[in-house]
Amino acid sequence: KQEVTQIPAALSVPEGENLVLNCSFTDSAIYNLQWFRQDPGKGLTSLLLIQSSQREQTSGRLNASLDKSSGRSTLYIAASQPGDSATYLCVVSGGYQKVTFGTGTKLQVIP
Amino acid sequence: NAGVTQTPKFQVLKTGQSMTLQCAQDMNHNSMYWYRQDPGMGLRLIYYSASEGTTDKGEVPNGYNVSRLNKREFSLRLESAAPSQTSVYFCASSLGLAGGLGGTDTQYFGPGTRLTVL
Repeated sequence: KQEVTQIPAALSVPEGENLVLNCSFTDSAIYNLQWFRQDPGKGLTSLLLIQSSQREQTSGRLNASLDKSSGRSTLYIAASQPGDSATYLCVVSGGYQKVTFGTGTKLQVIP
Repeated sequence: NAGVTQTPKFQVLKTGQSMTLQCAQDMNHNSMYWYRQDPGMGLRLIYYSASEGTTDKGEVPNGYNVSRLNKREFSLRLESAAPSQTSVYFCASSLGLAGGLGGTDTQYFGPGTRLTVL
């Protein structure tokens, strides 16, 4: 059974700092990996999706990397802002109905 | 454009009561999902509907039933609520069935329903 771990569970950084969120998974036979952002009362929003054949994806200040062989993904956030405060979820797909969610990293960016 | 809407946002039930959580999407998506989120655990799939007229069990279906009323609406019913069903429930939709090989079908999530069963 696929297990997805995100460490740390919570992170607090000063505004402007660059930061990295980590995700690890136990089964490297994945189809894609996705990073979501969860805001209280607003559900989840997709940030980046990386296909199994890709190594990274970028969107604005966000960059996500994927290393299937080592079972790791990172989400890099450049020049963090208070508006980046949220919980970030890593979601791994091994096929239909094999979608596994991580427990998330709660990020707080302090002004 | 409302996206995915869920009602109610909050609900308190007593053990044994029944209720239905409603979900609707206005993106003409084919697939819809119900998840629950518990502290310290990732979201877990309860039921999904790959397309209108079909429903299938997910990881944790016991104690729940679903109805895909039409392409837009997908409801989740608790027939006899139990304290173990206290959770935050999320509905999601996607154009195609999410998770497949080469899939680009991102799921769009509703704001959630916080349910407490006493």
